[in-house]
Amino acid sequence: QVQLAQSGGGLVKPGGSLRLSCTASGFTFSDYYMSWIRQAPGKGLEWVSYISSSSSYTNYADSVKGRFTISRDNAKNSLYMQMNSLRAEDTAVYFCARWIFGVVIDYWGQGTLVTVSS
Amino acid sequence: QPVLTQSSSASASLGSSVKLTCTLSSGHSSYIIAWHQQQPGKAPRYLMKLEGSGNYNKGSGVPDRFSGSSSGADRYLTISNLQFEDEADYYCETWDSNTFVVFGGGTKLTVL
Repeated sequence: QVQLAQSGGGLVKPGGSLRLSCTASGFTFSDYYMSWIRQAPGKGLEWVSYISSSSSYTNYADSVKGRFTISRDNAKNSLYMQMNSLRAEDTAVYFCARWIFGVVIDYWGQGTLVTVSS
Repeated sequence: QPVLTQSSSASASLGSSVKLTCTLSSGHSSYIIAWHQQQPGKAPRYLMKLEGSGNYNKGSGVPDRFSGSSSGADRYLTISNLQFEDEADYYCETWDSNTFVVFGGGTKLTVL
């Protein structure tokens, strides 16, 4: 069955960096676009970024553009998010997700908490 | 770009039915959406893809009690024979070439 297992996250000071990982299994990872979505405490879901199946295309929400970088390694069935220049408002649970391009998200990772605080 | 509007809360009694609504903004009434369920403290779970025609495709393992329908710009999620485990936040989601993935604000469902 499809599984998305996340790792990384934790407590980081403002201005710091963090790398999130998401390892996929149960499907042909290289066939699918992938996405990161976040959820601030007590808030709704916010799309952060997506990457195409071959890494040719990426896009970011304005709130993270220039600070976050999405990448993937299809040989390792893994998705990544490098987060730099972190701010307090980046505090959230981050979810990786499989995205059927132009349609919908159909699988979610378990989420990982990122806390940005001094 | 599309905006998805959801009521902030809904409630219904155990064993009854409830119909949640997600409304697409003007000019986007033909868009496909997805419904996702998020139980307290858990990751979201994909429930179904729902087209403007009312056709829907459910995710793996989603109970038969969950169904979808559409009318104009409105997309509905109906849950029959409500169970306590259905108490959750429900989000609709769509996509646009300019704004990419878009979520509604979510509806918090309480089972009485």
